[in-house]
Amino acid sequence: AQSVTQPDIHITVSEGASLELRCNYSYGATPYLFWYVQSPGQGLQLLLKYFSGDTLVQGIKGFEAEFKRSQSSFNLRKPSVHWSDAAEYFCAVGTPGTSYGKLTFGQGTILTVHP
Amino acid sequence: GAGVSQTPSNKVTEKGKYVELRCDPISGHTALYWYRQSLGQGPEFLIYFQGTGAADDSGLPNDRFFAVRPEGSVSTLKIQRTERGDSAVYLCASSLVPLDYNEQFFGPGTRLTVL
Repeated sequence: AQSVTQPDIHITVSEGASLELRCNYSYGATPYLFWYVQSPGQGLQLLLKYFSGDTLVQGIKGFEAEFKRSQSSFNLRKPSVHWSDAAEYFCAVGTPGTSYGKLTFGQGTILTVHP
Repeated sequence: GAGVSQTPSNKVTEKGKYVELRCDPISGHTALYWYRQSLGQGPEFLIYFQGTGAADDSGLPNDRFFAVRPEGSVSTLKIQRTERGDSAVYLCASSLVPLDYNEQFFGPGTRLTVL
């Protein structure tokens, strides 16, 4: 069965600093990979996704993520964090070859941004 | 247009009671998913509907949990004989077609508390 690990439960950064959130997955092949953001009282919002091809993917709100097959990782990055980025971030995987979009999520990383 | 809505936003019940949680997907979306998010965890898949039928209910934890989608739009998640361990946020997501990770929209969730 596939699984997703987000090693960092809570990360604190200063506004304007760079950010990297870690995600590792366990799957027999290359899964579909996603990052979602969840703000209080809001639904999960898709930031970016990787299906195949270029391993560096760009998303919304200035986020990017890089797929590294050798490390089974899909880390999320942002060069300069804004206070509005404070939220909880979830990495998720989907299974290629299935007929519907069932997701397996990691446990999440809470991001705090200091002014 | 309106997004995925879930009612109630909060539900407090007593152990042993029956509860119903409602999901209104985006109009025209044929695929509907329920997830459960326990405190400090990522969402976990419960059940997937394609149209009116439950195509995958492998995530339902036991037979106290049941979900319906009688007309292929609104879905209701039903929990019998609630237990304190059922306390969680229940999330609903929908997409226009089944395998559409790009446009899978999440509702804000229903926070269920079992006393």
